[in-house]
Amino acid sequence: GQNIDQPTEMTATEGAIVQINCTYQTSGFNGLFWYQQHAGEAPTFLSYNVLDGLEEKGRFSSFLSRSKGYSYLLLKELQMKDSASYLCAVKDNYGQNFVFGPGTRLSVLP
Amino acid sequence: EAGVAQSPRYKIIEKRQSVAFWCNPISGHATLYWYQQILGQGPKLLIQFQNNGVVDDSQLPKDRFSAERLKGVDSTLKIQPAKLEDSAVYLCASSLVREGEQYFGPGTRLTVT
Repeated sequence: GQNIDQPTEMTATEGAIVQINCTYQTSGFNGLFWYQQHAGEAPTFLSYNVLDGLEEKGRFSSFLSRSKGYSYLLLKELQMKDSASYLCAVKDNYGQNFVFGPGTRLSVLP
Repeated sequence: EAGVAQSPRYKIIEKRQSVAFWCNPISGHATLYWYQQILGQGPKLLIQFQNNGVVDDSQLPKDRFSAERLKGVDSTLKIQPAKLEDSAVYLCASSLVREGEQYFGPGTRLTVT
């Protein structure tokens, strides 16, 4: 089976940096995805990691350590519009099991 | 490029009634997913199609839920009969390949009273 853990809520200040962690336990691994979901809207894709290391995309970066079953999403220069839930999702070796974590609700304060 | 389309956007039914949701994926996307998202939780995969074949339906409550994807394009998800605990947002997503990035539709918010 698969188990994914994320902090439930986080709060940060506009302009700051925040790191959202995700730990997972899977029977196989074929990639980890991060999605952003604003309240009442559908999730939108942010990043994908399949190899260890850091993937940078503008203000957002995502890191993966497969040996530790650990990933984080780093958000820089926070803006009010970054207030949303951030979902970590893992796929197994055959791409048949796709599991989302519970999500981390981020509040960005002025 | 048109996104994933879903209808209806909202539905209110009484328990024990039936309901159906429709999804049209992005053109050319072979893989289609249906998720159930209860308020405050992450999406839970119900069923995954590769073209018109089922890849994974291990979390689909088959006594009341059914889904099909005729001709490998549009898909419908049905609940019969509905229970109070089925109140959730039902999300459809598609991807070009099975391992790829998923694109989500706007979802259908179901309320069972």
